[in-house]
Amino acid sequence: EDKVVQSPLSLVVHEGDTVTLNCSYEVTNFRSLLWYKQEKKAPTFLFMLTSSGIEKKSGRLSSILDKKELSSILNITATQTGDSAIYLCAVPRGGSNYKLTFGKGTLLTVNP
Amino acid sequence: EAQVTQNPRYLITVTGKKLTVTCSQNMNHEYMSWYRQDPGLGLRQIYYSMNVEVTDKGDVPEGYKVSRKEKRNFPLILESPSPNQTSLYFCASSVQMSNQPQHFGDGTRLSIL
Repeated sequence: EDKVVQSPLSLVVHEGDTVTLNCSYEVTNFRSLLWYKQEKKAPTFLFMLTSSGIEKKSGRLSSILDKKELSSILNITATQTGDSAIYLCAVPRGGSNYKLTFGKGTLLTVNP
Repeated sequence: EAQVTQNPRYLITVTGKKLTVTCSQNMNHEYMSWYRQDPGLGLRQIYYSMNVEVTDKGDVPEGYKVSRKEKRNFPLILESPSPNQTSLYFCASSVQMSNQPQHFGDGTRLSIL
């Protein structure tokens, strides 16, 4: 059965700290892994990682895919209170271009 | 502005009273999907649609129906809602497939009493 596991489930840090969020997956025919950020409402897309694009960066956020370890990390440096959100990892299910499995998310709280 | 619009945003209703949550996107996307989000369970896929008149079950389809008569619209129907369908529902769309960035609606909070 395809699985996506995120850790930790929640994390509290102070502004300025660096955080690392983890996502491990077990899916057949891996194609890509997607990261989303969910504040109060809709999840918004952050990054997509594939076999040909294993590292992405945008400002203080970066993400790396480790195909050997079947995992990905999302790094946030110099955290700000606006980074407080649920971070979701999702992997398209093996054998399908249309099914998507999400991890349970990591709730990040950044305190001033 | 590119967007996915869900209605209603909030609904409190009673067991057994049929309801429809509408979803519309203005990006000419082929792929649309419904998810429910529950504490401790994360986002789970209910149904998805690859294109007009083509739909299929996700992980938790029981108690739900969908239709895709037009490209822009993908309504979620609860024919006989029950309390275990109380949840936060999201509609999303992407260009063609699930392994592409999806745009999400703002969510519909449904309470079934």
